[in-house]
Amino acid sequence: KAGVTQTPRYLIKTRGQQVTLSCSPISGHRSVSWYQQTPGQGLQFLFEYFSETQRNKGNFPGRFSGRQFSNSRSEMNVSTLELGDSALYLCASSFQGPNTGELFFGEGSRLTVL
Amino acid sequence: GIQVEQSPPDLILQEGANSTLRCNFSDSVNNLQWFHQNPWGQLINLFYIPSGTKQNGRLSATTVATERYSLLYISSSQTTDSGVYFCAVVVRPVNTDKLIFGTGTRLQVFP
Repeated sequence: KAGVTQTPRYLIKTRGQQVTLSCSPISGHRSVSWYQQTPGQGLQFLFEYFSETQRNKGNFPGRFSGRQFSNSRSEMNVSTLELGDSALYLCASSFQGPNTGELFFGEGSRLTVL
Repeated sequence: GIQVEQSPPDLILQEGANSTLRCNFSDSVNNLQWFHQNPWGQLINLFYIPSGTKQNGRLSATTVATERYSLLYISSSQTTDSGVYFCAVVVRPVNTDKLIFGTGTRLQVFP
């Protein structure tokens, strides 16, 4: 059974650009959630999608957005990048959502903003 | 909001030693999980344990939900156990589906 796949694994962008990250969940899992990890703030919840609907959103500005497709794959987008957006972005997959079961994480996408 | 605190923040062990990591949370939770973040950044699910005790090889975990804490035990530690251990909770009431991570415990195991 394939795990959670995130692409790209590493990327470098400059301030003002935008970036799109992709997450393919474990087959059969309908929930995808996204987290940002930085040395200063730790692991913070961005948003969670279930069956193409955003169910929850963390305290991030509107520059951070996401979506989920009918095959449960999810993308997140960050527009007008700032230096502080440099982080490891982690995606997690679960059958019904973080509240009711285990989460399985991908290897992450490490974003550097110059 | 809920506070999730882990202790100790750093732990240095020699191979073969045992250790106990603690996770305290300030509110009632529906879900609690323990993760190990390896040196490459991936979070590995160790236990889904909203209450009770579970064991998996050299690792075991206990959550006492009524007293708002969870413990992760590592016995006969190995160098491959090095990394950061996180607990994460989902706060009651239900339908938040927002996982809140603790501050982490950084473990270093030396041969």
